[in-house]
Amino acid sequence: QSVLTQPPSASGTPGQSVTISCSGSSSNIGGNAANWYQLLPGTAPKLLIYSNNQRPSGVPDRFSGSKSGTSASLAISGLQSADEADYYCAAWDDSLNGPVFGGGTKLTVL
Amino acid sequence: QVQLQESGPGLVKPSQTLSLTCTVSGGSINSRSYYWSWIRQPAGKGLEWIGHVYTSGSTNYSPSLKSRATISVDTSKNQLTLKLSSVTAADTAVYHCARNLLGSGKLDVWGQGTTVTVSS
Repeated sequence: QSVLTQPPSASGTPGQSVTISCSGSSSNIGGNAANWYQLLPGTAPKLLIYSNNQRPSGVPDRFSGSKSGTSASLAISGLQSADEADYYCAAWDDSLNGPVFGGGTKLTVL
Repeated sequence: QVQLQESGPGLVKPSQTLSLTCTVSGGSINSRSYYWSWIRQPAGKGLEWIGHVYTSGSTNYSPSLKSRATISVDTSKNQLTLKLSSVTAADTAVYHCARNLLGSGKLDVWGQGTTVTVSS
């Protein structure tokens, strides 16, 4: 059982937009920044969004993040087949004194 | 740029101790800005934070693994290690090391991961 809650799956067709939600509590997302990771099979997890809405260098602006209260969202516009991956949200948890993750959302590009 | 590489046995027998090393290259593990974390992912499941170590050697662990996990740092070798005792099949997973900005869920550098199977 993951501390942060994500939908297990999401889907869209090429060119469409999709949003993935992440719900937490006051000890994690409510008081700290949300971050998002992209996991492709056989590769290292990739930081996609940090500090709620910041993109590391090299991440396309098709990826955007937002946070409101104890929830965060990842939006992907102009879906591409290469975006088919697992996406995880994460945040620092003040009670744990460590990072907590969501259960992951499998994105399918139809 | 900073790169992380995990190494260790791919097969561990039940009840034994899993031991993994993460070598940091392209930067110093002696940074005051980061924790160095271990995270694992069992097949078909999500990411699980195991614990982290600071350059001073101070550590923190997930409550579910605290009794079995030990993370240490060797600044002279630019390495961190994970030991997980009394392993069972439930510890079979891909184990990653990662650099974690202090007080943040931002893990900006990850190792490729190493698969550990617990089986007799």
